[in-house]
Amino acid sequence: GAGVSQSPRYKVAKRGQDVALRCDPISGHVSLFWYQQALGQGPEFLTYFQNEAQLDKSGLPSDRFFAERPEGSVSTLKIQRTQQEDSAVYLCASSLARGKSTDTQYFGPGTRLTVL
Amino acid sequence: AQKITQTQPGMFVQEKEAVTLDCTYDTSDPSYGLFWYKQPSSGEMIFLIYQGSYDQQNATEGRYSLNFQKARKSANLVISASQLGDSAMYFCAMREGPNYGQNFVFGPGTRLSVLP
Repeated sequence: GAGVSQSPRYKVAKRGQDVALRCDPISGHVSLFWYQQALGQGPEFLTYFQNEAQLDKSGLPSDRFFAERPEGSVSTLKIQRTQQEDSAVYLCASSLARGKSTDTQYFGPGTRLTVL
Repeated sequence: AQKITQTQPGMFVQEKEAVTLDCTYDTSDPSYGLFWYKQPSSGEMIFLIYQGSYDQQNATEGRYSLNFQKARKSANLVISASQLGDSAMYFCAMREGPNYGQNFVFGPGTRLSVLP
């Protein structure tokens, strides 16, 4: 497909489990972003990659959150020892260029994580 | 301080009428981009329209137009001829120039309900 894809679409985890969320950006898009969206709120920035380089991880809420994009395409967001407050929709977005203010970000459908 | 403010948590509009969704922003960077996204109940974020800080004219995309008032730091979205399918959450977002982070900052959103 031509858009950003994410898997799984839904994930239920028991508190303390590790989870891995996958994002497949639009082919050729240099920049990749992860956002966390709590229920009823706007998305909040987690981390940003330019190709394989993680240039900004200032939004990651704790050291339990880890993201990688080893070959500059697919990215994985990993959450270790999940807590109930991690329950949210995790959105991935990609954009074509290298961080210009004009860049439009295209979003995937999100992964809804529920931690019990 | 909030960088993006959307003061209308919810809005109602009659089908075929026009509606304006408010957005004000705060930045000291002369170079920035403003974006509007639609998020239906299915969850995906759909890009609607973009306005650059140096653009001389207000952006338009089909039934969407952006009322950009730079001095007032407002970027209101106008939807003309509302349709039932326009019912969704609408988010205003800003990306500041290259000296700032690469990510979008989102507002809290406005839920639009179109009445038949």
